[in-house]
Amino acid sequence: GAGVSQSPRYKVAKRGQDVALRCDPISGHVSLFWYQQALGQGPEFLTYFQNEAQLDKSGLPSDRFFAERPEGSVSTLKIQRTQQEDSAVYLCASGKGWGRARNEQFFGPGTRLTVL
Amino acid sequence: AQTVTQSQPEMSVQEAETVTLSCTYDTSESDYYLFWYKQPPSRQMILVIRQEAYKQQNATENRFSVNFQKAAKSFSLKISDSQLGDAAMYFCAYCKRVGSEKLVFGKGTKLTVNP
Repeated sequence: GAGVSQSPRYKVAKRGQDVALRCDPISGHVSLFWYQQALGQGPEFLTYFQNEAQLDKSGLPSDRFFAERPEGSVSTLKIQRTQQEDSAVYLCASGKGWGRARNEQFFGPGTRLTVL
Repeated sequence: AQTVTQSQPEMSVQEAETVTLSCTYDTSESDYYLFWYKQPPSRQMILVIRQEAYKQQNATENRFSVNFQKAAKSFSLKISDSQLGDAAMYFCAYCKRVGSEKLVFGKGTKLTVNP
């Protein structure tokens, strides 16, 4: 597709449920990022992939959060045993990862997760 | 650790007027990128303008320009001839040039454009 897509756009989970959020980056983009955006705040970094390699996961808030990108394209962010504090918009971004514009990131529409 | 501060939670401007959004940042790096992103109510983040720290010339994109003061670690965004479609949250962001490519965002400024 032309842009970054994310699914589902909205997810409601009961506390304790596991959720999986999907990101389809722009075709050919090497870099892929996940951010968490709480209401009224700026996005905060969670994790970063270059192709299938997870190069930085320093922003993952707990071991309940897990991300993968097994074939270097689609990525999934999984949250186990969801808690109310996990309620946020989860943004995915992709980037070329090379050249002059290597640091430019293109964002998807986000997945709004609400944990009841 | 790098931090980005946007001291104006909200700003408003009259249509066709000019507005400046402030951003300061803290880093020990000498080479980095700075960005302004726009997030309309529909939520998708859009890149407005980028600045490379090693370039002294301020970046310009149509009605959008920046005032980059490296020594002061200041990076303000000027929007000229404001339009109703400019209404959005604006986020200032920082990224190292080498190493981790993660963006560090400020808390954002909500811009209202009055007709």
